[in-house]
Amino acid sequence: TQLLEQSPQFLSIQEGENLTVYCNSSSVFSSLQWYRQEPGEGPVLLVTVVTGGEVKKLKRLTFQFGDARKDSSLHITAAQPGDTGLYLCAGVRGSARQLTFGSGTQLTVLP
Amino acid sequence: GAGVSQSPRYKVAKRGQDVALRCDPISGHVSLFWYQQALGQGPEFLTYFQNEAQLDKSGLPSDRFFAERPEGSVSTLKIQRTQQEDSAVYLCASSLTSGRGYEQYFGPGTRLTVT
Repeated sequence: TQLLEQSPQFLSIQEGENLTVYCNSSSVFSSLQWYRQEPGEGPVLLVTVVTGGEVKKLKRLTFQFGDARKDSSLHITAAQPGDTGLYLCAGVRGSARQLTFGSGTQLTVLP
Repeated sequence: GAGVSQSPRYKVAKRGQDVALRCDPISGHVSLFWYQQALGQGPEFLTYFQNEAQLDKSGLPSDRFFAERPEGSVSTLKIQRTQQEDSAVYLCASSLTSGRGYEQYFGPGTRLTVT
């Protein structure tokens, strides 16, 4: 069982549409990060959220950390083909240093 | 400035061969992590170094996997007697400090295929 469940696993939408990706867990995380990964490359950090209820915006991307710090969402407004990629949530638990990753959401934005 | 680099980018090994994967972290970064990523999945933690000390190797799947960072900079992940289930992308990440939650910078990965 994956500690961090992401949904949906695959998402294909038209340019200009809005979308939301969810990252859920039964565990509490001290911080949660969102990454985007393109084929043949490593994950690139988009944002880090650390406070329950925190909302961060990055241009057309809005990230929210749940009040209980167990879940997070990523909302993209007016998606563009350049947003295509694998979106990964990752959290830090307890005294650990390493990231625990979700299974990922493969987003395809069609022109 | 240079990011995290990994070599080789691609490696094909026959089952039973030993392989060595190299990671050059960002200069001055204290922490170094190795992750394994199966196709279409999120990365999974293998091991963590703080300088030259391997502080956590709980994610290594078997005793065929061995990692070192002898001088606290470059790291090598070695897999002995490779098996088909070892086929994956191996990612290295480095972080400036040893604190929890600090940003990890990832390399492009080494894609290992065991035939």
